Parts: sequence; structure tokens; C-alpha cells
Amino acid sequence: GQQLNQSPQSMFIQEGEDVSMNCTSSSIFNTWLWYKQEPGEGPVLLIALYKAGELTSNGRLTAQFGITRKDSFLNISASIPSDVGIYFCAGQLANYGQNFVFGPGTRLSVLP
Amino acid sequence: DAGVIQSPRHEVTEMGQEVTLRCKPISGHNSLFWYRQTMMRGLELLIYFNNNVPIDDSGMPEDRFSAKMPNASFSTLKIQPSEPRDSAVYFCASSFQPQETQYFGPGTRLLVL
Repeated sequence: GQQLNQSPQSMFIQEGEDVSMNCTSSSIFNTWLWYKQEPGEGPVLLIALYKAGELTSNGRLTAQFGITRKDSFLNISASIPSDVGIYFCAGQLANYGQNFVFGPGTRLSVLP
Repeated sequence: DAGVIQSPRHEVTEMGQEVTLRCKPISGHNSLFWYRQTMMRGLELLIYFNNNVPIDDSGMPEDRFSAKMPNASFSTLKIQPSEPRDSAVYFCASSFQPQETQYFGPGTRLLVL
């Protein structure tokens, strides 16, 4: 089946540092979504991207839809302890228009 | 507004028992999804419904799993008989349409002993 790759798998950073993570695939996507999952909770939508090249911000979070439509990245500026969690990307395949495919996630730890 | 509601939040049962997980989607959403999350396999789509009709159940592991959506505000995922390898977190998500953004519930943590 279709597969999304996320990197890095996990990261440990110091509070105040900026974070960058990405999601890549060999397939073309129409939509990219970024979710955050905290321990014991369900994924919560952070940012949705609908056009190639689109750059969208949500507070300290910025995400971009790659020009090739095969990737997306998420940046977090000035990290804080509550940024801890697993960040998932999800893409909607261009030739299906139905299901979203989820990446394996990037686990973020923020050290005070 | 209430988000997706799932119950129970936690379930511990013995192998061979029947397990029923429940989900109430966001009001007005026409599509409902059941996912399973494990450390090994991540998030896996099990089945999804559109307008209460099952559209794609190719992710359902085997015949022990079944899902129903008798009306627009309620769905169940049943495992009978349960096995230890079914232990996972089961999420329900809903959206206005299948191709639109999904909103997740808090999940049901299932442990089968």
C-alpha cells in the first residue's frame, strides 16, 4: 500500500530550540494534514494544507505543502515543554480522493 | 461543541471475551472511521462509513472484528472472541465527507489478557 515516511523518528531538543520535521512519499498527494498526539489522547489537528507550495502558520507552528506534492514539513519555533508528543502527517492521495494515509510519527521530547 | 466521543476509555478483558467499543461522531459529520494504533504498526485504518454505510473494510484484521453504524450518531466496533494481540488503542474519527479533515476521539485503550 501507499506509505508515508516521517523523519526524524524521534528527537530530543532543549526548550527554546526550533524544531523541523518532514514527511515524504513517492506518491503525489492532494492534501496534507499535521496532527499532534499527546500521551493518552487522540490525534489533534494542527494544520491542514491544500495547495502545492502553500505555507500555513498556526502560532509557533508553520507547515508547508511541497512543490512536488510528495512532501511536507512542519516547523516549531521556540519549543516549550508542552510541545512534547507525537507528530503525525497524513496525506490524501491524488488519485483516490478518499482515505488519508498516516505516517509513523515523529516523537518529540523537549528538555527543560 | 462536543468532539468525537468514545467509550469506554479503558477496557481490560480476558482472552475469548467479547469486546464492544462505542463511538459518537461529531454532529453533522457524515463519515466515520475506526483506527487501531499500536507501537509496531502505528495508526491503521480498520473501516470507514459514509452516511452510515460501510465503504471500505479492507483494514479489518479478520472475521473476529465487526463494525456497525445503525444511525448517524452511533457506531460500534466489536471483537469476538478477543485475543491478546488485539491489545491496542482504538480510535474513532469523523469528518463531513470521507475526503475531508478527520477529527479524532480520545481513544479506547484495550488490554486483552
